[in-house]
Amino acid sequence: IVLTQSPGTLSLSPGERATLSCRASQSLSSSYLAWYQQKPGQAPRLLIYGASNRATGIPDRFSGSGPETDFTLTISRLEPEDFAVYYCQQYGTSPPTFGQGTKLEIK
Amino acid sequence: QVQLQESGPGLVRPSETLSLTCTVSGASVSSDYWTWIRQSPGKGLEWIGHIYKSGSTNYNPSLKSRATISVDTSTNQFSLKLSSVTAADTAVYYCARDNLNSFDPWGQGIQVTVSS
Repeated sequence: IVLTQSPGTLSLSPGERATLSCRASQSLSSSYLAWYQQKPGQAPRLLIYGASNRATGIPDRFSGSGPETDFTLTISRLEPEDFAVYYCQQYGTSPPTFGQGTKLEIK
Repeated sequence: QVQLQESGPGLVRPSETLSLTCTVSGASVSSDYWTWIRQSPGKGLEWIGHIYKSGSTNYNPSLKSRATISVDTSTNQFSLKLSSVTAADTAVYYCARDNLNSFDPWGQGIQVTVSS
């Protein structure tokens, strides 16, 4: 399954709302869609699994949604530490695959 | 708290075998699935394969059977061997716990460069 993320880069200011998209090339159970955050020099960190479940310790400003082929990660009010690269990942079909990433940068 | 740490050589010569080890603390490699993932500027994040406690493995077909993952319960480690490496295998390699719907947590990653 190919995952296509958009936009490639998103320029926003702290306090604004961010909406990131991940489109799958074929229908995917929401149980198998995850989102990660990666900061420079660090490993990806799991944010959301099962499309809408926050991982342990993830603030509630992060939320995920979406059925079948169109998934969304929403950050309700951007904090300075949220500016990073975000990846979606599917595990519905082997091999697991990742999207190419959306870079969230400070405007 | 589960933690993972990759170790191994940072430089491998072309055509040789890349060997990495992941040391797990806070959990037992005798339970769960454990996985290797790599990241390069050209290919992004790529799943390499995983292993289950019984030793059963599954690999990404893109690696054309060059990858082998094994587990050592006596040291609570699991390992990756990637044979016949080329410059295209240059990447940051991560180990992680595989939850079969996501990967969490991850090790900090290790840069491996393939060069003569």
